Amino acid sequence: QAQLVESGGGLVKAGESLRLSCAASGFTFSDHYMSWIRQAPGKGLKWVSYISTSGSAIFYADSVKGRFTISRDNAKNSLYLQMNSLRAEDTAIYYCARGGSYEDVWGQGTTVTVSS
Amino acid sequence: EIVMTQSPAILSVSPGERATLSCRASQNVTSNLAWYQQKPGQAPRLLIYATSIRAAGIPASFSGSGSGTEFTLTISSLQSEHFAVYYCQQYNYLQTFGQGTKLEIK
Repeated sequence: QAQLVESGGGLVKAGESLRLSCAASGFTFSDHYMSWIRQAPGKGLKWVSYISTSGSAIFYADSVKGRFTISRDNAKNSLYLQMNSLRAEDTAIYYCARGGSYEDVWGQGTTVTVSS
Repeated sequence: EIVMTQSPAILSVSPGERATLSCRASQNVTSNLAWYQQKPGQAPRLLIYATSIRAAGIPASFSGSGSGTEFTLTISSLQSEHFAVYYCQQYNYLQTFGQGTKLEIK
């Protein structure tokens, strides 16, 4: 069945960078838009970014625009999120999810903690 | 940005009863509205998309309705596994989520 596994989270200091990865399996990755959605501790869900099947269309939330870059490698069935200039408010669980509108498959998330 | 407002923040309902959760959009999102369920320590699970279409494997006890700016998720005959946090999401323009409704046992 369809599965997404995130990796790359960790503890960093404000201003540093981190790259998240998401490995997809059990479905044709190249057929689907993909998204990153985050959840701060004890808070609700916040959409971060999504990317089209070919990578030609990319959108970001205003809060991460200019600092985060989403990308994908369809040959490797992988989705990425390059996060630069990290801030304390970026601390969250980051979920990789299938879809660019509603998301029907979610990974278990990877935790990013930014210390100030 | 389209703001999604869910009410109530906490809903206390007895097992076997019906739960009705509300979601309001700050502007018209047509029928581009989804609902998710999230249990502690788990990723969200898609329940409903396009306002009223149940996702794969979702039982008929979940139903969605509404259009434009007012939407409702109804869960009939609550069971223990239904107690969780529920989020609405609009995807008419980019995506935004509501702040969630916690459904707890009364």
